[in-house]
Amino acid sequence: GAVVSQHPSRVICKSGTSVKIECRSLDFQATTMFWYRQFPKQSLMLMATSNEGSKATYEQGVEKDKFLINHASLTLSTLTVTSAHPEDSSFYICSARERAAQNEQFFGPGTRLTVL
Amino acid sequence: ELKVEQNPLFLSMQEGKNYTIYCNYSTTSDRLYWYRQDPGKSLESLFVLLSNGAVKQEGRLMASLDTKARLSTLHITAAVHDLSATYFCAAGGTSYGKLTFGQGTILTVHP
Repeated sequence: GAVVSQHPSRVICKSGTSVKIECRSLDFQATTMFWYRQFPKQSLMLMATSNEGSKATYEQGVEKDKFLINHASLTLSTLTVTSAHPEDSSFYICSARERAAQNEQFFGPGTRLTVL
Repeated sequence: ELKVEQNPLFLSMQEGKNYTIYCNYSTTSDRLYWYRQDPGKSLESLFVLLSNGAVKQEGRLMASLDTKARLSTLHITAAVHDLSATYFCAAGGTSYGKLTFGQGTILTVHP
């Protein structure tokens, strides 16, 4: 099956710093990538959708200047949390969809962000 | 706006018993997904249901979709401890690909 990786798997940073999370599709070309956030004991909330070569579409309530998303190639999308604060601590999960398999999203292993 | 609701949210089962998790969604959706999540892990895809009346089975789990009732079910047969996890359903509203998730059902299977 299609494999999606995320890096890093876990990151701890100080308040006010920026953190970049990478999401890669390893064996397929991802025309669309999705970024989700999951707080403890809660469901997944979609943050934004990115299509290769175009600007990301953010969900209502998600600050696009704080969560910068770049989908520069068909295999890589990045999420940068700028000026992170403790309330940004969460589990960030990306998923990817390829053009030939519109009905499937393949999920990455997630990145656990802890902001001190 | 598409909304997805699961029930129950917590399910404690004895090994060997059967139970069903329900997933209701508010507006027309052309696909329904079931996922499993273990603590500290990401999602594992279980089923993709694409049409009314679709039924899929894998091991002790069986999922079905009734688009007219806007209802999907995940049936657990003869539960075993290894099935303990959180189960999410998610509905896709358009071919755009966006998924809306239910709240999740925390399943605990006891000996």
